[in-house]
Amino acid sequence: KQEVTQIPAALSVPEGENLVLNCSFTDSAIYNLQWFRQDPGKGLTSLLLIQSSQREQTSGRLNASLDKSSGRSTLYIAASQPGDSATYLCAVITQGGSEKLVFGKGTKLTVNP
Amino acid sequence: SAVISQKPSRDICQRGTSLTIQCQVDSQVTMMFWYRQQPGQSLTLIATANQGSEATYESGFVIDKFPISRPNLTFSTLTVSNMSPEDSSIYLCSVGWTGRTNTGELFFGEGSRLTVL
Repeated sequence: KQEVTQIPAALSVPEGENLVLNCSFTDSAIYNLQWFRQDPGKGLTSLLLIQSSQREQTSGRLNASLDKSSGRSTLYIAASQPGDSATYLCAVITQGGSEKLVFGKGTKLTVNP
Repeated sequence: SAVISQKPSRDICQRGTSLTIQCQVDSQVTMMFWYRQQPGQSLTLIATANQGSEATYESGFVIDKFPISRPNLTFSTLTVSNMSPEDSSIYLCSVGWTGRTNTGELFFGEGSRLTVL
């Protein structure tokens, strides 16, 4: 059974810092990995999608990497801003015919002005 | 991507009643899913909404408690039946596409925040 773990559970940083959020998964046979952002009481916004054959994806100040063999992904946020404050969720789809996303519990990020 | 609208966005309900949540997508989608996010927790898949047939439920979720309809490729409903305070959660609709060009990326609605008293 696929399990996704995110570390740390919470992170507080001053504005302008570069930071890394970590995600690990137990079954390396994944179809893809997705990073989402969730603001309090809201739905999920898709940030980056990495296919199993890819190593990384970039969007603006965000860069996500994938090391499938070790079951790890990182989300790098450059020059953090207070508007980046949110919960960041990592989710994977495991190979094998199902499109189900398995989510981690998220990292709650606070960027202080 | 797709624009996904959920109604209601939030509601406060009494124990023992039922509530139907609607999910409307602005384009035809192959896949529609319903997730639950309990307070302080991550998302858990309730079921896959299948067009024109019964939904496929995950372990721990049953049709009598969470009946789902999907009459076409742009619309689905989730009903939370005979509610108890433990059903207080955010319920989210998710959509995606299958096919040769499919990346597997899934998109989510804004969610429906349900509070049961």
